[in-house]
Amino acid sequence: AQKVTQAQTEISVVEKEDVTLDCVYETRDTTYYLFWYKQPPSGELVFLIRRNSFDEQNEISGRYSWNFQKSTSSFNFTITASQVVDSAVYFCALSEARGAGGTSYGKLTFGQGTILTVHP
Amino acid sequence: DVKVTQSSRYLVKRTGEKVFLECVQDMDHENMFWYRQDPGLGLRLIYFSYDVKMKEKGDIPEGYSVSREKKERFSLILESASTNQTSMYLCASSLATGHPVYEQYFGPGTRLTVT
Repeated sequence: AQKVTQAQTEISVVEKEDVTLDCVYETRDTTYYLFWYKQPPSGELVFLIRRNSFDEQNEISGRYSWNFQKSTSSFNFTITASQVVDSAVYFCALSEARGAGGTSYGKLTFGQGTILTVHP
Repeated sequence: DVKVTQSSRYLVKRTGEKVFLECVQDMDHENMFWYRQDPGLGLRLIYFSYDVKMKEKGDIPEGYSVSREKKERFSLILESASTNQTSMYLCASSLATGHPVYEQYFGPGTRLTVT
């Protein structure tokens, strides 16, 4: 069975600090996808990134960057120069391409989430 | 712009009531999902649907049922609400998948309180 662990329940930083959110996953499938979502106080989950298991290149998007390492089954998320607007709950999620029935239909297994608070 | 809407943001129901949560997406997505979100547990999948009238159980289907009569609409039904079903309910949709797996788009959520 697949599993996602976000060991950091809450992180508190001061604005302009860099912060890394950890995500460790377990899966038996060789083809899988990893996701990060942001849930601001309004409640709606916002998609940030999708990564497939064959692409280990790190990705940078503005102040956001992601480090995918298959060797350690980790997909960590770093926010550089954090801002108050980054305060949210962040979720890491995993989807296997093939489930028991031949397709996973894109079902997601989520981690517990990390509450990030950025203080001015 | 991608849009998933849910019928209510907040709902208060009494124990034993039948509760309907509605979700509508305007992206012509094949897949639709219902999750519940509880503190410390993340999001857990209740049911999903990959086509009209097709449904499959997720990880925690007990006490819930679903209905998908039209492609754009996916309903979650609590046959007899109980206090342990007090939670945030999130609906999502995505394109049909196998490989690649596409991202899901989420609605704003319904915070249900059962008293």
